[in-house]
Amino acid sequence: GAVVSQHPSRVICKSGTSVKIECRSLDFQATTMFWYRQFPKQSLMLMATSNEGSKATYEQGVEKDKFLINHASLTLSTLTVTSAHPEDSSFYICSASRGLAGLSYEQYFGPGTRLTVT
Amino acid sequence: ELKVEQNPLFLSMQEGKNYTIYCNYSTTSDRLYWYRQDPGKSLESLFVLLSNGAVKQEGRLMASLDTKARLSTLHITAAVHDLSATYFCAESGSNSGYALNFGKGTSLLVTP
Repeated sequence: GAVVSQHPSRVICKSGTSVKIECRSLDFQATTMFWYRQFPKQSLMLMATSNEGSKATYEQGVEKDKFLINHASLTLSTLTVTSAHPEDSSFYICSASRGLAGLSYEQYFGPGTRLTVT
Repeated sequence: ELKVEQNPLFLSMQEGKNYTIYCNYSTTSDRLYWYRQDPGKSLESLFVLLSNGAVKQEGRLMASLDTKARLSTLHITAAVHDLSATYFCAESGSNSGYALNFGKGTSLLVTP
């Protein structure tokens, strides 16, 4: 149990276009989902926290108008990179937490989406 | 402000040897996580440590937590090549919704 999927696993897009990444919890309901970004040979950096049915909370320095997050259901969160540029090329990883934030300590990570902007 | 500090960042060790990776954190969180990441892959959960003095072992890896010292360790016993990967520690509690703050990772290479 506790499987998180991401789609697509890899995407290449042209500069100026938008890309949508989906994160799904396959066998549990995820009230809270998190989006992280990882540049080559670096650590994971939290981008935003997403709660079902409410607006995402973005970390400092992350442009909410550029990285649109929607958490419309308890099993799906989407991250849309709008007007992508080469510097947005990165490995995007989502994670999901069961139950209410703070009451569940385990986070389940998706397999990641590698975005390349040309 | 660096909330999670790992050392060493790079570690090359011979098969059969023992070594410890250290993770210091600066928050009051009492939850500490260890993950493994292989190249091009996502994270694999190794340990979740929830209380002071917690010790968990899985195979050749053992993790411990000292919340008073804000220190966690990942000890490797009799290393084998398959353990080569990047290991991250992370803490939760200081971010909204209990998102994780990650250390920079320790890149481990086990050589014959």
